Amino acid sequence: DTGVSQDPRHKITKRGQNVTFRCDPISEHNRLYWYRQTLGQGPEFLTYFQNEAQLEKSRLLSDRFSAERPKGSFSTLEIQRTEQGDSAMYLCASSPGTGGLQPQHFGDGTRLSIL
Amino acid sequence: KQEVTQIPAALSVPEGENLVLNCSFTDSAIYNLQWFRQDPGKGLTSLLLIQSSQREQTSGRLNASLDKSSGRSTLYIAASQPGDSATYLCAFHIAGNKLTFGGGTRVLVKP
Repeated sequence: DTGVSQDPRHKITKRGQNVTFRCDPISEHNRLYWYRQTLGQGPEFLTYFQNEAQLEKSRLLSDRFSAERPKGSFSTLEIQRTEQGDSAMYLCASSPGTGGLQPQHFGDGTRLSIL
Repeated sequence: KQEVTQIPAALSVPEGENLVLNCSFTDSAIYNLQWFRQDPGKGLTSLLLIQSSQREQTSGRLNASLDKSSGRSTLYIAASQPGDSATYLCAFHIAGNKLTFGGGTRVLVKP
């Protein structure tokens, strides 16, 4: 399978703990996006990378959140000192090339539950 | 700021009926539009991509239209099947190729 891969699929943790998610995009896709989706809502943009450069961060991304994409391949999203409101599905997507005409391909997401 | 609305939030139809899903938006300065399908607990599967210069796209039983002047897009699914039961999301590409999503329409096709 050469689609977008996310790990883990599910994460349950206690409030206050740190968590880290990983996303492996489709190979040779140089754009990578993170979104957050709460129950019954559409996904909301968090941040995106072009190669290793993080080009934009949403105001939703508080200082407890950090994302990296070293070497422009896989990406990690870390949440420090998790809170109840962080419970959501975290989706990763990738797209090829530059410009605004490229479809985004999504992974199956990581579902985070905060106890 | 782009606002995207999908009405209805939920829809139930008998098998074989055509589905009409609506998506409205407030800012016509879009790059393109993408329709997605999401099964419970899963990620998003891209169905159709319409570039801003196009008016519609077709793939099999699916047809999506885009009318920027009225701020609307419609997804038609012909001859619905139980396997079409899912949540359907529309999303607009804005600057940076970020997607702005609607809240989705949850579809149930009853056999």
